[in-house]
Amino acid sequence: ETGVTQSPTHLIKTRGQQVTLRCSSQSGHNTVSWYQQALGQGPQFIFQYYREEENGRGNFPPRFSGLQFPNYSSELNVNALELDDSALYLCASSSGLAGGPSYNEQFFGPGTRLTVL
Amino acid sequence: GNSVTQMEGPVTLSEEAFLTINCTYTATGYPSLFWYVQYPGEGLQLLLKATKADDKGSNKGFEATYRKETTSFHLEKGSVQVSDSAVYFCALVRYGGSQGNLIFGKGTKLSVKP
Repeated sequence: ETGVTQSPTHLIKTRGQQVTLRCSSQSGHNTVSWYQQALGQGPQFIFQYYREEENGRGNFPPRFSGLQFPNYSSELNVNALELDDSALYLCASSSGLAGGPSYNEQFFGPGTRLTVL
Repeated sequence: GNSVTQMEGPVTLSEEAFLTINCTYTATGYPSLFWYVQYPGEGLQLLLKATKADDKGSNKGFEATYRKETTSFHLEKGSVQVSDSAVYFCALVRYGGSQGNLIFGKGTKLSVKP
């Protein structure tokens, strides 16, 4: 069984640029959540995708957007990059909505380290 | 709102020492509580969980008890090993709608010396 994978591992961008991060969910999982982990902080929830639709969003501006594909893989797009966007971006997949009536464990990928200069 | 507060690190212990990492939470309703561990260069791994008051989660020698009266979920291990060196995150989840995602504390870095 393949776990959650993310690409690229590291990325360096300059302020104002756009970036796309990718995530392949674990086999059998239909839900993907994205988190931002700034240095020395805990992960912060960005949004969740369930069956190709956004289902829940944290306190992040609209320049953070995403997609989920029919195979349940997902992309996180960030436009107009700012220095504060430098962080580790984590993707987590689960076999159902994290907010469903019962707990669906989220399995995390290794993350993408984004540096904005 | 919902939040998690962890003791600040870093925590440095000698091998075989007793470990406690404090965690308290603020949440409406009845959240589930978790401890995640992040080893260097890796993603988060679920260490243990508890879904209702007085539940004890345990795994790999680590334990934590869901204390509703003190809104706490402290992580303990009787004898730490060098391989336990990692960052530990306390987290909660409330079910229902967009709130059904993990809310993490800031993390506590543990270093265990031989």
